[in-house]
Formats: sequence, structure tokens, C-alpha cells
Amino acid sequence: RKEVEQDPGPFNVPEGATVAFNCTYSNSASQSFFWYRQDCRKEPKLLMSVYSSGNEDGRFTAQLNRASQYISLLIRDSKLSDSATYLCVVRYTGFQKLVFGTGTRLLVSP
Amino acid sequence: SAVISQKPSRDICQRGTSLTIQCQVDSQVTMMFWYRQQPGQSLTLIATANQGSEATYESGFVIDKFPISRPNLTFSTLTVSNMSPEDSSIYLCSVEAGLGGYGANVLTFGAGSRLTVL
Repeated sequence: RKEVEQDPGPFNVPEGATVAFNCTYSNSASQSFFWYRQDCRKEPKLLMSVYSSGNEDGRFTAQLNRASQYISLLIRDSKLSDSATYLCVVRYTGFQKLVFGTGTRLLVSP
Repeated sequence: SAVISQKPSRDICQRGTSLTIQCQVDSQVTMMFWYRQQPGQSLTLIATANQGSEATYESGFVIDKFPISRPNLTFSTLTVSNMSPEDSSIYLCSVEAGLGGYGANVLTFGAGSRLTVL
């Protein structure tokens, strides 16, 4: 089983749609959680951290469920510019290493 | 956040040769990381470049194949030695900069070096 698993997609949605991605992690000692965004042929960039209580940044909402060991990302009112691959990232307690999921690809169409 | 310059941005190399990738950061950082992203795959950590000591390699990666230098707090190199087509990948340099919650730093990446081995 992979340490961090994501549905690879692609998720094809029209502009204005709401879309949600899930990510599961296998190590219960995981401490920190992030969503990164990677555009085609570009480097990954931090989208948002994921807090235990859940957090929102504009159209983006991240949730963490430690009991079930999954993280979610909700995007409301999708824009064409949201088209990208979204990477779920986990850091284990006491380690500097970040573990990346394989990413979920989102395609937003007009 | 830190600004990372990475070069070359891309290269096409012959089997059996070696390529050195350079990573320059605009500020001093304690830890620098080298990742690989193979086609259609996610990022895999190769090693952590430590200033003043040998790099720390992840399982599956060895110093003979991926020698790393870290002469100071702003610069590192990764060499891909004796290349084969399986080494065709994007190699990314990254540093921890800024706070991402939990008091944890988050990674900033260079633009990557796209390597094709023929």
C-alpha cells in the first residue's frame, strides 16, 4: 500500500462547479499535512496547509480526518485557472521528510 | 519565500555520461533537498544535502550514483552518474522556507531540471 494515496483522475468539471479530492495516508504518526499544486511542466507550489480543525482560503477548503486518516480538498466555483495537478503531502512526526501522493489531475472546461 | 535558481533547465544526454545539476538559493538555508519526479509519477526524495557533512540518502538511492555537494548554505549540486534511460526524469531542488502551519516549514522548489537520457 502506498504511504499517500490519491485518485489520479482526471476530474473533468465545467467552470463554476464544485469539486472535491480525497487523499488517504497510511502512517498514523503523520503530523503535518499540505496540499500542493503543480501546473503542467512546472514545479509544485504550496496551495495550503491542512489544520486539524479544517481551514478555508477563499474558494478552497481543506479538511483533516485523523481517525480515518484522510485529507480532503474542496474547490468551489472552479475556474479555468484551477486546472492543474493537486498533490497531497504528509510529514511524519519527528522527520523532516515529506511524502508526496501521486497527485489528482483537475481539468476545468469552459 | 526563498528564490531558487536551478540549472540546467533541461538537457539531453548520452547513456553512460554524467550530468551535474546546480541549485542556488537567494538566502542561507539549513536544509536543501533533491527530489526526482519520473514521468507520470509523484516526487520522490533522493537525499538531503547537509552543509559540512555528507548528504543523507533515502532508501534506493546511493552516493555513487547521485553524488551531492553542499559547499555552503546557499548552494548545492546533484550529479547523476553513469546515466541510463531509466534516469530520464525531472530533478528538483528544494528548501524549507516560511511557515506552513504547526510551526512547520514548507518546501519551495526550483523550476526543475528535465533530463532525457538517450
